[in-house]
Amino acid sequence: DQQVKQNSPSLSVQEGRISILNCDYTNSMFDYFLWYKKYPAEGPTFLISISSIKDKNEDGRFTVFLNKSAKHLSLHIVPSQPGDSAVYFCAASDGNKGGKLIFGQGTELSVKP
Amino acid sequence: KAGVTQTPRYLIKTRGQQVTLSCSPISGHRSVSWYQQTPGQGLQFLFEYFSETQRNKGNFPGRFSGRQFSNSRSEMNVSTLELGDSALYLCASSPQPEGATGELFFGEGSRLTVL
Repeated sequence: DQQVKQNSPSLSVQEGRISILNCDYTNSMFDYFLWYKKYPAEGPTFLISISSIKDKNEDGRFTVFLNKSAKHLSLHIVPSQPGDSAVYFCAASDGNKGGKLIFGQGTELSVKP
Repeated sequence: KAGVTQTPRYLIKTRGQQVTLSCSPISGHRSVSWYQQTPGQGLQFLFEYFSETQRNKGNFPGRFSGRQFSNSRSEMNVSTLELGDSALYLCASSPQPEGATGELFFGEGSRLTVL
């Protein structure tokens, strides 16, 4: 069963506009969430994270929102840039699991000039 | 500081063979995790090693195994290869102490093709 789901395989956005990537989870034990970005032929790189005790975390153009009651998180990128074009993975952890993260299937973002 | 290094980057094997992949973590990182990435499946957790001990294990058959050495370098082995084992195998290291959660630093992966 897929505990972390990214239901949109792809998203296309115009440069300068907002990109919103969504992620749903089913395991209420998850207490830490992360977003990773992956370019072709490279490994994923960490983007931003949020603890379950918060509902928002911001880092520059990137903001992650967490809605625990809906078991939903989203990543907002404002403004979107062509260099943001990549596959974005959300991931979740249930605390004392060290390096074990549960990943979604990924959303391929395309930012068009 | 050097990143996570994985070797080989690409390899082709035939069904029934076995393969060993290697991972050198970032200096000072003691946790090494392995993930399998296939199209449409995202990244699936294989196992994690910390201080030479397997700390967590994913839902993969026993054909998938791993180990970690005293210098934190890790290897994973897949025996009796099947076509479905074709994937990108990613290694990640973390500086976090045992039980903590934090970001992982990924290598570029080893692309395995099984014919």
